[in-house]
Amino acid sequence: GAVVSQHPSRVICKSGTSVKIECRSLDFQATTMFWYRQFPKQSLMLMATSNEGSKATYEQGVEKDKFLINHASLTLSTLTVTSAHPEDSSFYICSEKGRGTEAFFGQGTRLTVV
Amino acid sequence: GEDVEQSLFLSVREGDSSVINCTYTDSSSTYLYWYKQEPGAGLQLLTYIFSNMDMKQDQRLTVLLNKKDKHLSLRIADTQTGDSAIYFCAEMTGGADGLTFGKGTHLIIQP
Repeated sequence: GAVVSQHPSRVICKSGTSVKIECRSLDFQATTMFWYRQFPKQSLMLMATSNEGSKATYEQGVEKDKFLINHASLTLSTLTVTSAHPEDSSFYICSEKGRGTEAFFGQGTRLTVV
Repeated sequence: GEDVEQSLFLSVREGDSSVINCTYTDSSSTYLYWYKQEPGAGLQLLTYIFSNMDMKQDQRLTVLLNKKDKHLSLRIADTQTGDSAIYFCAEMTGGADGLTFGKGTHLIIQP
């Protein structure tokens, strides 16, 4: 079946630096990408939705200049957390959707900003 | 590696109970979750259960966990049209490195 590869699975970075998270669809073309963020024991919060070749649509309260999303191809989407701060420490997960109705999830990235 | 399996579709009649099933492979799972995704919306956490529990009830929702068989189910009583959505099962392991999701079950409500 379809596989979504997300990496890194875990990253620790210094405050003020930027971190890039990649999400690749390995055997299908992802027309729509979703990026989620989850705090411990809370629901996944949708951050943004992007369609291939278009600018991402951000949810209310999500800073687009801080969370840069690039969806340049049908198989790769990236989320860059710019100038990370400790409050950005969280679990980030991507979800890709093909032309059907299924959504496939990456394994998630645990970001810790120190 | 870890794997979470669910049926892709479930069709029920309005007013009946819906039972969505999920199996997982990681015996070190600590939390198991059910999420709901309505069309065009993000994931909504419905409920979760600790691995040392075997049942949890919350209004119309009942979660059953059979740890021996690594089987999780979500029962929705008196299913309504508003319950139509995709339901995702997910597990978190003890290392809490991330969640492993199933592919989601489309719940279809027939009038």
